[in-house]
Amino acid sequence: DVKVTQSSRYLVKRTGEKVFLECVQDMDHENMFWYRQDPGLGLRLIYFSYDVKMKEKGDIPEGYSVSREKKERFSLILESASTNQTSMYLCASSLGTGIYNSPLHFGNGTRLTVT
Amino acid sequence: AQSVTQLGSHVSVSEGALVLLRCNYSSSVPPYLFWYVQYPNQGLQLLLKYTSAATLVKGINGFEAEFKKSETSFHLTKPSAHMSDAAEYFCAVTTDTGRRALTFGSGTRLQVQP
Repeated sequence: DVKVTQSSRYLVKRTGEKVFLECVQDMDHENMFWYRQDPGLGLRLIYFSYDVKMKEKGDIPEGYSVSREKKERFSLILESASTNQTSMYLCASSLGTGIYNSPLHFGNGTRLTVT
Repeated sequence: AQSVTQLGSHVSVSEGALVLLRCNYSSSVPPYLFWYVQYPNQGLQLLLKYTSAATLVKGINGFEAEFKKSETSFHLTKPSAHMSDAAEYFCAVTTDTGRRALTFGSGTRLQVQP
């Protein structure tokens, strides 16, 4: 069974801190994604990657960056955390280039609070 | 660009009653449509997907959805609700052109009353 592991379940950071959210998948998936989930807004795509060292902006990339140095790991970076980045962050992965044929596998999420 | 709209952020049904969760999509090219479910304190998992084969798609846990191009809809149904169906449900869309990522709707929280 595919496992997507997010390093922290809960995280509390201060405004202005640099924050790293880590995600690791164990099934050699090419595609990895970062979404944020907010009540009433559903999931919004921040960044995604379809290969090592490749990244693509999603719908709300402002204030975020990503890193994918190894195939199994996809990191989300908040360069200077702000209170409006308080949210649930979900990492996902999928196999291959045909996303419509390959389901997303999600981690359990990291609930980030910025104070 | 594609998008989905889920009508009703909260739906409440009695145990044994029909479940109907609504999803309408917008896409300029043929879409691929998905329903995901999120149980409390968990990540999302795939319920079912439409990839242009059959218009009526059966998923896990007795759920099914019908793709209706004329109505641009992909509503999720289950004939008889069970208490364990209480969760949040997300409709999502993508296409085989453009970016390889799903666009999700805002979600519908399903409550099942005993």
